[in-house]
Amino acid sequence: GAGVSQSPSNKVTEKGKDVELRCDPISGHTALYWYRQSLGQGLEFLIYFQGNSAPDKSGLPSDRFSAERTGGSVSTLTIQRTQQEDSAVYLCASSLDFNQPQHFGDGTRLSIL
Amino acid sequence: GNSVTQMEGPVTLSEEAFLTINCTYTATGYPSLFWYVQYPGEGLQLLLKATKADDKGSNKGFEATYRKETTSFHLEKGSVQVSDSAVYFCALSDKGNTPLVFGKGTRLSVIA
Repeated sequence: GAGVSQSPSNKVTEKGKDVELRCDPISGHTALYWYRQSLGQGLEFLIYFQGNSAPDKSGLPSDRFSAERTGGSVSTLTIQRTQQEDSAVYLCASSLDFNQPQHFGDGTRLSIL
Repeated sequence: GNSVTQMEGPVTLSEEAFLTINCTYTATGYPSLFWYVQYPGEGLQLLLKATKADDKGSNKGFEATYRKETTSFHLEKGSVQVSDSAVYFCALSDKGNTPLVFGKGTRLSVIA
């Protein structure tokens, strides 16, 4: 069956531009997570959704980052006024419910010039 | 807060060698523990998990035992193959409903 789908797979943009990353979770999965994988930093939790609600936004690194989820399905992560330190692989995962194993997408590699 | 510490890499082994990647954790409750693997150019995949003390997770010849007394979840494989070359991440999820907390990852290279 279809796994977690992320788009675009690669994004190169200039500093100061806004970017929008998309995650399409596995059908029926109620929980959705965003992580960031930076060189030398490992995997860093950003935000999660249970349905359309985001109970924990503590991982978002700054107010330039925001995320939403509509219809309990697709989620978008938006980074405004991108900075070079935003360059990373952004990973999305979904799980059937909150305590179930997470299934990851292949990520979006974001490069800020 | 919760945290995971795993051994620094990279680890380079010859084919058929024994593998151990150490992982220890700090958690306030009784977390579930996971090993994820990331093959070159691919996303993270769940390798194995254990949800309570003394549970052993196993998959593809890899094993890890949840040791509450030492707060550890070391990954082992008796005979590695070149195809095992990847980055391995230890992670925990607190049953209090928090997302995964990952270690920094250990890169394994297996040479023929």
